[in-house]
Amino acid sequence: DQQVKQNSPSLSVQEGRISILNCDYTNSMFDYFLWYKKYPAEGPTFLISISSIKDKNEDGRFTVFLNKSAKHLSLHIVPSQPGDSAVYFCAAPRGGGKLIFGQGTTLQVKP
Amino acid sequence: EAGVAQSPRYKIIEKRQSVAFWCNPISGHATLYWYQQILGQGPKLLIQFQNNGVVDDSQLPKDRFSAERLKGVDSTLKIQPAKLEDSAVYLCASSLRGAGNEKLFFGSGTQLSVL
Repeated sequence: DQQVKQNSPSLSVQEGRISILNCDYTNSMFDYFLWYKKYPAEGPTFLISISSIKDKNEDGRFTVFLNKSAKHLSLHIVPSQPGDSAVYFCAAPRGGGKLIFGQGTTLQVKP
Repeated sequence: EAGVAQSPRYKIIEKRQSVAFWCNPISGHATLYWYQQILGQGPKLLIQFQNNGVVDDSQLPKDRFSAERLKGVDSTLKIQPAKLEDSAVYLCASSLRGAGNEKLFFGSGTQLSVL
């Protein structure tokens, strides 16, 4: 049962434009969501999170939006930079700190 | 602050052989996780430790996988015997308490290829 889904395996955008990465979930009991970023040959690193009591959280160029009625969240990166090229995972806590991850979206930002 | 350390970085073995991975979490972190990431998929939890006790090993294939966290610090994950489908990156992560909204800190992982 894939409770957290990222349906777009890859995304390519031009430098300076907006990147929008999407994530859907099925469990309405999730109360917190996180985005992790992963470069090749490195472990995932925490990027940004959002509580289910909010619909938006912003940190510099990164903004996460949460639509609880649609069970959907998205990560916006503005402006996109070549260094943002990585795999992005959305995740939700399952209890006791355990995270359930989506399949990941590979973002390529072209100079 | 030192991050999560893992070794080896890469390992190539033949099927039916055994292999072991080592993890040293961030100092003071009580909770340690082992995740398996198969190419094209997200990380999947194998086992969670709280100090030196197992909290959740429901997704660990116990007929071939084993893990321990002696003294509540370092941890080892072993596969014996390995199968082709075990080819993946094995990620170790740690967190301070294992509370619901805590960030997990990941090591760089061990990439295992089973031939």
